[in-house]
Amino acid sequence: SQKIEQNSEALNIQEGKTATLTCNYTNYSPAYLQWYRQDPGRGPVFLLLIRENEKEKRKERLKVTFDTTLKQSLFHITASQPADSATYLCALDGGTGGFKTIFGAGTRLFVKA
Amino acid sequence: NAGVMQNPRHLVRRRGQEARLRCSPMKGHSHVYWYRQLPEEGLKFMVYLQKENIIDESGMPKERFSAEFPKEGPSILRIQQVVRGDSAAYFCASSQPGVAGFYEQYFGPGTRLTVT
Repeated sequence: SQKIEQNSEALNIQEGKTATLTCNYTNYSPAYLQWYRQDPGRGPVFLLLIRENEKEKRKERLKVTFDTTLKQSLFHITASQPADSATYLCALDGGTGGFKTIFGAGTRLFVKA
Repeated sequence: NAGVMQNPRHLVRRRGQEARLRCSPMKGHSHVYWYRQLPEEGLKFMVYLQKENIIDESGMPKERFSAEFPKEGPSILRIQQVVRGDSAAYFCASSQPGVAGFYEQYFGPGTRLTVT
């Protein structure tokens, strides 16, 4: 069955460094991959969408890569700030022609001042 | 431009009662998704609807759960005869329509259901 894996361990980094989060998937080939941010007690907020024919996409301090051979996406936050501390969710389309979206469990990021 | 609205924000029900969760999508959005999130777990897809039409309900439990998105009014997620295992945060998201069928989703604040 389709599976998405994100590092369940929290990532702790120092302010100003680059945070890199990983999303791996197995058993299917999604057409789209998205990253969301979720703060405690709130709904996820869309950050970036990348399509299968795109290798990389950037938005301000954010960069996403999508390697369909490795079945992996990397999410980078450069010049990280304490305000970037949150849980980051990877999401893929169901890959079957339907409209289901499959979310990973998320990776919690802590940026220390 | 108001975002996705959900109500109530918190809902307490006793075992066996019914829970009704409401979602109003963003203006201009005619597609609605419902998700369930348990503590320390990811979002689990439940159902995808367009106005007056269920598109994909592959994530919905076969019994006690139903969803609708009428021509007028909000989308409703209905849980009959709730059990303690239904306690979770339920999120609604909306997206714009389009032939590609997959756009970024805008989430509401969620409804936290507690079954006592």
